[in-house]
Amino acid sequence: EPEVTQTPSHQVTQMGQEVILRCVPISNHLYFYWYRQILGQKVEFLVSFYNNEISEKSEIFDDQFSVERPDGSNFTLKIRSTKLEDSAMYFCASAGGVGTSVSYEQYFGPGTRLTVT
Amino acid sequence: ILNVEQSPQSLHVQEGDSTNFTCSFPSSNFYALHWYRWETAKSPEALFVMTLNGDEKKKGRISATLNTKEGYSYLYIKGSQPEDSATYLCAFRGKLIFGQGTELSVKP
Repeated sequence: EPEVTQTPSHQVTQMGQEVILRCVPISNHLYFYWYRQILGQKVEFLVSFYNNEISEKSEIFDDQFSVERPDGSNFTLKIRSTKLEDSAMYFCASAGGVGTSVSYEQYFGPGTRLTVT
Repeated sequence: ILNVEQSPQSLHVQEGDSTNFTCSFPSSNFYALHWYRWETAKSPEALFVMTLNGDEKKKGRISATLNTKEGYSYLYIKGSQPEDSATYLCAFRGKLIFGQGTELSVKP
């Protein structure tokens, strides 16, 4: 069964460093998302991506964040200068099909745990 | 600010018990309501996507109903089994706005 994969599973970085979190969505999916969950809090939406551009982003997704689909298979989240409060579990998700995204199941990857020290 | 609330936050039942949880969401500008099952150390697994008022969906012993006018959805588990132990999340709209989850623990 196709699945979303994410690498690395755990990333430790120092404050101020750049990190890139990688995701490989399900191959025929068209909609891509990043979410994060800070320990003990709700899962929060960061950004959605469709047709090679950001379709929606939350207030969390400031200038320090960027997303890219560099080669048609990977979907990356970059944090330019990490802060302590960026420590969280980051989940990638993808959804398939043509048309509106709202009714499609989103398939989640296993997450990357980012620890900023 | 859109907010999605789930209750209860945690639930402990005996094997064989039937149970249900509630997800409350804003009734205006409704697009879709998603239910996910999330086991520790695994990815959230999609259970249902519900889009129409009055929708009822079923997958095995798990079913869900949707009332978009009053802004709630119920998830039912009939005859709970230990393998049903997980956190059940509901999420609202295309960019999913998640509730805090209901943690279900089923004792054999």
